[in-house]
Amino acid sequence: EIVLTQSPTTMAASPGEKVTLTCRASSSVSYMHWYQQRSGTSPKLWIYETSKLASGVPNRFSGSGSGTSYSLTINSMETEDAATYYCQQGSSYPWTFGGGTKLELK
Amino acid sequence: QVQLQQSGAELAKPGTSVKLSCKASGYTFTSYYIYWVKQRPGQGLEWIGYIYPGNGGTYYSEKFKGKATFTADTSSSTAYMLLGSLTPEDSAYYFCARLRAGTNVMDAWGQGASVTVSS
Repeated sequence: EIVLTQSPTTMAASPGEKVTLTCRASSSVSYMHWYQQRSGTSPKLWIYETSKLASGVPNRFSGSGSGTSYSLTINSMETEDAATYYCQQGSSYPWTFGGGTKLELK
Repeated sequence: QVQLQQSGAELAKPGTSVKLSCKASGYTFTSYYIYWVKQRPGQGLEWIGYIYPGNGGTYYSEKFKGKATFTADTSSSTAYMLLGSLTPEDSAYYFCARLRAGTNVMDAWGQGASVTVSS
């Protein structure tokens, strides 16, 4: 099973600040996907196949990486971006998720 | 638009079973995989497995073999997950989600169903 480790676990960012979340895989994966989950709601597909933005996702978000190291970047933090972000790999079964990064507004 | 409507909250006793439903609309039910994901309160996401309603094929994460059973009713476009031999560790939210065609991501999610196991 591929273990995904996200860092940091929790962070706070001010409006306008650049934010980078990371996800490291225990083995190489072909792509990484990211989901956003706001409190009390279901996850939403946010970034797929490492760098493609899901429908409706603002272009201040971007994704990058390869092999075992991936990241999600917010160019300029906005209030609505406060949420928990999970990475997910679908390269091998069982699919696995990272533990999540909770992003708060400072 | 694509929607997955899940059944309501369940309160069950240890050792019993619950059957959760996930009704799909807005797309051809038999052409897309349905995945199931577990989330314990305040914790991360855990992948349970999938069913392909087109042929009833299933796959379970090793951890959930014997715990979860997937079925699908194509006449009502509804997927089901039976959780058996319930213990307090099964108390969680359970989400169904649709696999985006040609990818390995889940692009539409149900609202989640809460299961509480308590005597």
